[in-house]
Amino acid sequence: DAGITQSPRHKVTETGTPVTLRCHQTENHRYMYWYRQDPGHGLRLIHYSYGVKDTDKGEVSDGYSVSRSKTEDFLLTLESATSSQTSVYFCAMGTPNTGELFFGEGSRLTVL
Amino acid sequence: QQPVQSPQAVILREGEDAVINCSSSKALYSVHWYRQKHGEAPVFLMILLKGGEQKGHEKISASFNEKKQQSSLYLTASQLSYSGTYFCGTELSGSARQLTFGSGTQLTVLP
Repeated sequence: DAGITQSPRHKVTETGTPVTLRCHQTENHRYMYWYRQDPGHGLRLIHYSYGVKDTDKGEVSDGYSVSRSKTEDFLLTLESATSSQTSVYFCAMGTPNTGELFFGEGSRLTVL
Repeated sequence: QQPVQSPQAVILREGEDAVINCSSSKALYSVHWYRQKHGEAPVFLMILLKGGEQKGHEKISASFNEKKQQSSLYLTASQLSYSGTYFCGTELSGSARQLTFGSGTQLTVLP
């Protein structure tokens, strides 16, 4: 059991279209995160959540929104995708005691 | 603010040692270390908390210098399986679990 899954794993879309990535966890963890990974930049935090309907911005939040209506689901939305948002997106959940992160397998998004 | 990692890349022979450094300009509450293999998700190695002790995991250990806001990851007697990109993640004091990662150190272990 993965404990945390992302969907879709791959997506190709066109500039200007809306895109939603879904992160689903089965561990009932409070903390969830969305990161993007680009060559030379490592993992950059987009948004994170510390509970249902409790979210906050990370360092690269412009152009992204999130929602968390249930503990198990954390959605990342690109309202109008741009080519600069082509990236690999990782979702993660944080364990309650130590805060270590478990990452999903990643979603590769290409915006043409 | 993103922590600074050094070096950016390291090439080793099997059995050699390596040190990866991570530094922040702000007061840290914790430092995490992760390893990512090509095409895979990052995997947790260890966490060091403010006021905590040096951690170890087999031949991989780490330290946290609170005065300098620096952490170092030590890989001893490297194995081929150690190859990958290593990331440090830092949590600032009072940041409520907001984890910011460095740009990574690519480690290659050759036979």
